[in-house]
Amino acid sequence: EVQLVESGGGLIQPGGSLRLSCAVSGFTFSSYEMSWVRQAPGKGLEWVSYISSSGKTTYYADSVKGRFTISRDNSKNSLYLQMNSLRAEDTAVYYCARIRTDSSGYSRLDYWGQGTLVTVSS
Amino acid sequence: SYELTQPPSVSVSPGQTASITCSGDKLGDKYACWYQQKPGQSPVLVIYQDTKRPSGIPERFSGSNSGNTATLTINGTQAMDEADYFCQAWDNRDVVFGGGTKLTVL
Repeated sequence: EVQLVESGGGLIQPGGSLRLSCAVSGFTFSSYEMSWVRQAPGKGLEWVSYISSSGKTTYYADSVKGRFTISRDNSKNSLYLQMNSLRAEDTAVYYCARIRTDSSGYSRLDYWGQGTLVTVSS
Repeated sequence: SYELTQPPSVSVSPGQTASITCSGDKLGDKYACWYQQKPGQSPVLVIYQDTKRPSGIPERFSGSNSGNTATLTINGTQAMDEADYFCQAWDNRDVVFGGGTKLTVL
């Protein structure tokens, strides 16, 4: 059974840092691209970041570029999101999601974790 | 940056057909996915590559994509289908979501 379990959320003051983790099981983690997606309270989904299966390629939404860093440890079946210089507008539930890409090259986010809440407030 | 637009809300009577649209520039040239999210739960993939259903998703869910509009159709809508629905496409390796549509079954 595929499982993704996020952790590391909490209450943090503006300007602070937080590191989210996503522990996965039930599939060969090193074979899959991964992504972080967030959802502010009562709002829609916002893509945050992407990482290739090897970890060599990363992409970020403009809203977090330069402040957030995505990484992975394939030996530990874990995905991470280092969040620095946090702002009130970063308050959201953060989901990790697996990216499944077919042989045709088309992708989808096929499994999601339960999310971890990050609240940025003084 | 690429944008996807959805109606904020759609209402449907039980047993009827619900259609939720997603508009974007030349969206038909890309592949669209759809996610269902019920209150307090994580999103669930219900349609990918415009028309395909993941295993476990009921046959009443279908999708289409042409021109500038992708459409999620739910035939014989049930009360359990009441949820938020988000369309999604790829802009290179960036993930783009629509703003979401709240489907009310009443």
